[in-house]
Amino acid sequence: QQKVQQSPESLIVPEGAMTSLNCTFSDSASQYFAWYRQHSGKAPKALMSIFSNGEKEEGRFTIHLNKASLHFSLHIRDSQPSDSALYLCAVLNSGTYQRFGTGTKLQVVP
Amino acid sequence: NSKVIQTPRYLVKGQGQKAKMRCIPEKGHPVVFWYQQNKNNEFKFLINFQNQEVLQQIDMTEKRFSAECPSNSPCSLEIQSSEAGDSALYLCASSLSGPANTEVFFGKGTRLTVV
Repeated sequence: QQKVQQSPESLIVPEGAMTSLNCTFSDSASQYFAWYRQHSGKAPKALMSIFSNGEKEEGRFTIHLNKASLHFSLHIRDSQPSDSALYLCAVLNSGTYQRFGTGTKLQVVP
Repeated sequence: NSKVIQTPRYLVKGQGQKAKMRCIPEKGHPVVFWYQQNKNNEFKFLINFQNQEVLQQIDMTEKRFSAECPSNSPCSLEIQSSEAGDSALYLCASSLSGPANTEVFFGKGTRLTVV
């Protein structure tokens, strides 16, 4: 059964820093990889997704995928206090639903 | 803002009681998912539907939950006999097309407390 794990569990970074979040998965046949962000008391919301190996950039956010290493990551450039939230990675393999990691709690301090 | 509407936001039930929550998916989204997020932020998939048909569900859902997505009515998820371990945030999500697609859009959830 697919296992999705995130690291670190929590992270505190200063405003303006680069933040790097990691996600590993166990099924090499996985086909869709996404990052979601959940502010306290709010609905999780999709940030970015990727289907194939490589890198994708949208604004301050970059997603990297390396299927051979069973690893993908999210990088946030110039982190802002408003980026403070729970970040969840999600993976779709051959099933009908995305499996989520347990999240990284990010706090960006001014 | 989320266009997936979940009610109620909070639900308190005694052990053994039924607990029912509802979800209106985003307009035009035929695929609906239910997840359970526990206090450790672990997401557990419960069940999903495409239109009114169940696509997939886990054993626990099959045995202890009752769920449906009737046409022209909200989807619902009901725990037949609540247990303390059911206390969690129940998230409904919808997507535009089938499972291989993409992004799912979440509601704010129903927080169930079983006392």
